[in-house]
Amino acid sequence: GAVVSQHPSWVICKSGTSVKIECRSLDFQATTMFWYRQFPKQSLMLMATSNEGSKATYEQGVEKDKFLINHASLTLSTLTVTSAHPEDSSFYICSARVSAGGSLRETQYFGPGTRLLVL
Amino acid sequence: SQKIEQNSEALNIQEGKTATLTCNYTNYSPAYLQWYRQDPGRGPVFLLLIRENEKEKRKERLKVTFDTTLKQSLFHITASQPADSATYLCALTMSNAGNMLTFGGGTRLMVKP
Repeated sequence: GAVVSQHPSWVICKSGTSVKIECRSLDFQATTMFWYRQFPKQSLMLMATSNEGSKATYEQGVEKDKFLINHASLTLSTLTVTSAHPEDSSFYICSARVSAGGSLRETQYFGPGTRLLVL
Repeated sequence: SQKIEQNSEALNIQEGKTATLTCNYTNYSPAYLQWYRQDPGRGPVFLLLIRENEKEKRKERLKVTFDTTLKQSLFHITASQPADSATYLCALTMSNAGNMLTFGGGTRLMVKP
């Protein structure tokens, strides 16, 4: 249980294009999903918290107009990197928190990540 | 300032031995602490969660301790196997932070056959 998928697993795009990454909770509902980015040999840095049916909350230093987040249902959140540039190349990982009560709600379950390379 | 520190140097041990990883934190009062495993190019996989009022938690070959006085958690893997080789991340959750995770830098474990 508590499986999270991401699509695509990797993407290469030209500078200036937009890229959409999907995050799905496959066997549970998630009112809250999180988006992280990770640079090589560094830990995960939280970018934003995505809440179903409301606007995302962005961490300090993350441009909300550049990283558009939509959480339209209890099982799907999307991150769109708009007008991507080479410095946006990174490993993007989403996670989801179980909506139901109980101990599962205390932790986050992560997707496999999306490797983005902007040329 | 707030910090979560894990040994940034790789930990190399022999198969069959017990691996012990350390997570120290300062200026945090976490409600609970979690350990994750991350393989190269993959997302973290949840291993164990321990609450502030718990001192020890076990799961198969894994054991986590949590000392809120020392502000430290230890993560043990007994009878280690080469398949345990990965990066291990500790993460804190504060009670007033909406279940947000704050990660340490991770420690890479290498188990040699």
